[in-house]
Amino acid sequence: KQEVTQIPAALSVPEGENLVLNCSFTDSAIYNLQWFRQDPGKGLTSLLLIQSSQREQTSGRLNASLDKSSGRSTLYIAASQPGDSATYLCAVGGFETSYDKVIFGPGTSLSVIP
Amino acid sequence: SAVISQKPSRDICQRGTSLTIQCQVDSQVTMMFWYRQQPGQSLTLIATANQGSEATYESGFVIDKFPISRPNLTFSTLTVSNMSPEDSSIYLCSVHIGGGGTEAFFGQGTRLTVV
Repeated sequence: KQEVTQIPAALSVPEGENLVLNCSFTDSAIYNLQWFRQDPGKGLTSLLLIQSSQREQTSGRLNASLDKSSGRSTLYIAASQPGDSATYLCAVGGFETSYDKVIFGPGTSLSVIP
Repeated sequence: SAVISQKPSRDICQRGTSLTIQCQVDSQVTMMFWYRQQPGQSLTLIATANQGSEATYESGFVIDKFPISRPNLTFSTLTVSNMSPEDSSIYLCSVHIGGGGTEAFFGQGTRLTVV
């Protein structure tokens, strides 16, 4: 059974710092991994999608890496801003088929202090 | 990408009643997924809905409590039946778009409070 964990559970940093969020999964047989952002009481916004054959993806100040063999992914946020404050969720997907369900980690709650 | 519209965005309901949540997608999709997010928790998959067949429910979720309809390739409903305060959660609809290594997209969710 696939299990996804995220470290740390919560993080508070001053504005401008670079930071790393960690995600681990137990079954390496995945099709992809996604990082999402969720603002309080809202739905999910997809940040980055990494296919199983890829090592990393970048979007603006965000960079996500994937090491499938070790069951790990990291989300790097450069020059953090107060607007980055949200919960960040990683999710692994596509086990039997690429359309298979997605399993979520518990999330990292990020607070960026002005 | 996909645009997913959920209705209602929020509701406050009396215990013992039922609420039906609608999910509309702007493109045809094979599967639609319904998730629950309890306060302070991550997302838990309730069921997978295929058009033309019965939904597949995850462990801990049953059809009598969470009946799902999937009348066509762009629409689905989730009903939360005989509600209790423990059903207070955000309910989210999701679809996967793209071939091989598909990307998951989510609606904005329905925030349900049962009093």
